Amino acid sequence: NAGVTQTPKFRVLKTGQSMTLLCAQDMNHEYMYWYRQDPGMGLRLIHYSVGEGTTAKGEVPDGYNVSRLKKQNFLLGLESAAPSQTSVYFCASSIRGRNSNTEAFFGQGTRLTVV
Amino acid sequence: GESVGLHLPTLSVQEGDNSIINCAYSNSASDYFIWYKQESGKGPQFIIDIRSNMDKRQGQRVTVLLNKTVKHLSLQIAATQPGDSAVYFCAEIYSWGKLQFGAGTQVVVTP
Repeated sequence: NAGVTQTPKFRVLKTGQSMTLLCAQDMNHEYMYWYRQDPGMGLRLIHYSVGEGTTAKGEVPDGYNVSRLKKQNFLLGLESAAPSQTSVYFCASSIRGRNSNTEAFFGQGTRLTVV
Repeated sequence: GESVGLHLPTLSVQEGDNSIINCAYSNSASDYFIWYKQESGKGPQFIIDIRSNMDKRQGQRVTVLLNKTVKHLSLQIAATQPGDSAVYFCAEIYSWGKLQFGAGTQVVVTP
């Protein structure tokens, strides 16, 4: 099993460009999350999804959009990249977020630089 | 412009000693509290969780304590080893699956 796979691993964008980060999990998990992590800081929740076809905003949703058309995939989009979005992005999934078995599995991260 | 990153608090521990990492949380409605470990260049890894109606839970070499009165969570690591060097984050789950992370602590294990 691959677990949680993020693509791409690295990307450099110019200001104003758009891109989509892909997160795929093969564990049949209901819950999926997108976080950003800036140097020396914790993870901030951007958006999350509690099931196929549903999404919700996290702490820092502005400038990002997400889609969960298939249960195994959670896409994070940047419509018009800004230097402030330079960060490491992590995707995670878990069986269910609220009840028992809270373990979330994380991908290896995507390092995004916006110049 | 870009925001300035904050330095994480650092806990230096001698190999073999016990470590205690603390975390304050703000949401009284959280259902579960969780500790994650993040090694350099990797994603966070689950360590242990505790349900909001418990005050203590033990795992292998780790113990989590929850004090809801003062909204405080702690992780105790017994006999700290070099492989325990990492950043440790507390996290909480509320609002039907919202997994939110708190501030991290850098643990440095010295020989």
